[in-house]
Amino acid sequence: GAGVSQSPSNKVTEKGKDVELRCDPISGHTALYWYRQSLGQGLEFLIYFQGNSAPDKSGLPSDRFSAERTGGSVSTLTIQRTQQEDSAVYLCASSFRTGGTGELFFGEGSRLTVL
Amino acid sequence: AQKITQTQPGMFVQEKEAVTLDCTYDTSDQSYGLFWYKQPSSGEMIFLIYQGSYDEQNATEGRYSLNFQKARKSANLVISASQLGDSAMYFCAMREKSSGTYKYIFGTGTRLKVLA
Repeated sequence: GAGVSQSPSNKVTEKGKDVELRCDPISGHTALYWYRQSLGQGLEFLIYFQGNSAPDKSGLPSDRFSAERTGGSVSTLTIQRTQQEDSAVYLCASSFRTGGTGELFFGEGSRLTVL
Repeated sequence: AQKITQTQPGMFVQEKEAVTLDCTYDTSDQSYGLFWYKQPSSGEMIFLIYQGSYDEQNATEGRYSLNFQKARKSANLVISASQLGDSAMYFCAMREKSSGTYKYIFGTGTRLKVLA
C-alpha cells in the first residue's frame, strides 16, 4: 500500500482478554516503531525494529506487552491480560532510515478501549 | 530529565497572524535530527519539517520554518499566515542514536487554536 496500514482501527475488549494489533509498514521501510498515545498525551515509545537486528524493547511497559515482526515487514503488537490502563491509541510508524531525512511515516492508529 | 520539552500546552493565534511554538531538547550527541509533526483531531500524524544538527540554515517548508538555535538547544516552529486548518496538536521530536538504534523521542505537544 501507499502508506502505513494498521488494523483494527478500533478495538473494544474486556479486562483480562488478549489483543493483537497489526501494522503493515510502507514497502521498503526497514525501521518500524510502535508508540502509545494516551488521551491528550504525547507519544510513548514502546518498541523498535530495524531490519533483521534484535528489536529495542526498552519502552515496553510490562511483560504483558510483546511484539514481533515477520519477514522484516508486518508487525504484530500483542497485549496479554489487558488492563484498563492499556486503553490508548497505538501508533505504528515506519522509516526508510538510510535515506532522506528519515522522518517517520505514521499509520492512523489502533484505538484500544479496555472495559 | 526530559529529552524534549514543549512548555506551551495550548496556544491561540488570530487567523493570518504568525505563531511560534517552543521546543527545547537535551542530548549529548553531536549528530541528531529534529522534527515537527502535526496531529489534527482526526488523529493522523503529519510530518511538517526537519532540521539536522549539522544544518547551518534554518529549515523552511512553505509556511513552516524552524528556528534552530543550537547553542540554546531550541528548535521552535514558526507558522506564518495562520489558517483555520492549522488548528491541531503539534509535536516536536528528536531522533538520536542510542545503543546502536535510532530513537525518536516526542514532546508532550502544544495544542494550537486558530481564531477567525
